[in-house]
Amino acid sequence: AQSVTQLGSHVSVSEGALVLLRCNYSSSVPPYLFWYVQYPNQGLQLLLKYTTGATLVKGINGFEAEFKKSETSFHLTKPSAHMSDAAEYFCAVTDLPSGTYKYIFGTGTRLKVLA
Amino acid sequence: DAMVIQNPRYQVTQFGKPVTLSCSQTLNHNVMYWYQQKSSQAPKLLFHYYDKDFNNEADTPDNFQSRRPNTSFCFLDIRSPGLGDAAMYLCATSLPGPNTEQFFGPGTRLTVL
Repeated sequence: AQSVTQLGSHVSVSEGALVLLRCNYSSSVPPYLFWYVQYPNQGLQLLLKYTTGATLVKGINGFEAEFKKSETSFHLTKPSAHMSDAAEYFCAVTDLPSGTYKYIFGTGTRLKVLA
Repeated sequence: DAMVIQNPRYQVTQFGKPVTLSCSQTLNHNVMYWYQQKSSQAPKLLFHYYDKDFNNEADTPDNFQSRRPNTSFCFLDIRSPGLGDAAMYLCATSLPGPNTEQFFGPGTRLTVL
């Protein structure tokens, strides 16, 4: 079965510091991986996704993630945190064995940016 | 702009009083999803449609029903809301395919008194 693990339910960084949010997946087949961001009282918005091809994926708002098959990881990074990055971040993988297009979400990481 | 719209944004109902949440989309996507999200948790899929085909998650309570009268609209009916059903309800849409993005609406926050 496929699964997603996000290490660290809460992460705090100083403004201007590196952001690193961790996501590890378990999949018996090549995965399709996504990072979403959710601001308070809003829906989820796609930051970036990995399907095939280049393993370093660039997304919106200066975020990027690298697919590392050997480590079964898809960590999200941003070189310099901004106050507006404070939000909840979810990693997700498509549930391929189910034969549908639904996601399996990680439990989320709440990012706090300190002034 | 193409989008996913949810109405109302905030809904208050009484314990046991049926409530309907609505979702509409201008993206013309085949697939529509309903999620329940409780505080500080990941969204939990309740069910989804691929066109008219309805797919219920195994652990979705019978208290939750859905209708999709056409491509653009989808409704979530909670027949007898309990206190435990208070949550944010998110609608999302996508094109078919395992590598496609899901587009989320802003959600409806349901309060049960």
